[in-house]
Amino acid sequence: EAGVTQFPSHSVIEKGQTVTLRCDPISGHDNLYWYRRVMGKEIKFLLHFVKESKQDESGMPNNRFLAERTGGTYSTLKVQPAELEDSGVYFCASSPYAGTAQNTGELFFGEGSRLTVL
Amino acid sequence: SQQGEEDPQALSIQEGENATMNCSYKTSINNLQWYRQNSGRGLVHLILIRSNEREKHSGRLRVTLDTSKKSSSLLITASRAADTASYFCATVTGGFKTIFGAGTRLFVKA
Repeated sequence: EAGVTQFPSHSVIEKGQTVTLRCDPISGHDNLYWYRRVMGKEIKFLLHFVKESKQDESGMPNNRFLAERTGGTYSTLKVQPAELEDSGVYFCASSPYAGTAQNTGELFFGEGSRLTVL
Repeated sequence: SQQGEEDPQALSIQEGENATMNCSYKTSINNLQWYRQNSGRGLVHLILIRSNEREKHSGRLRVTLDTSKKSSSLLITASRAADTASYFCATVTGGFKTIFGAGTRLFVKA
């Protein structure tokens, strides 16, 4: 079974440009999360999808960030326009729907997309 | 704001020694989890302890939870060089939001 995949693994862009990160969760996982880690600090929660709906987007920094999950499958996270402080590693995680026997509370993570804004 | 904080930030030990990492959190939780991250890789789930449990074991891992002190500890016994990684505690609240700390970097010298 394929795990969570993220693309690109590394992106280097200039300030003001646009970047779109993609996450393909494990097939059948309704929950999809985005996190960000900046410079060795905590892994900060950005938002949580249940299928195609945004369950919680309280961690999104500002309106330069747009996350979508059309059709409830893969998700994209767009940063437009990118600023220097957006640099970091963006992690995606997925899990089965809460309340099902398959949901053990564990999150399954991708390997992250490293974003460098120059 | 950050929910979980790990202590120490970094830990260096010799192979065969035990490694203890601590985590403190601020609000009531449903469960607490520990994850491991090897450099440049994604996080991997290690163990979950529910709010009504006090101790849990999995192989060389032992986790304790003290809800009155809002703290947890992860003990890795008989450490190996392959245990070198960053370890994160994660707290899960009622809304199924999982909040991570900044992690403890463990270095095990062979």
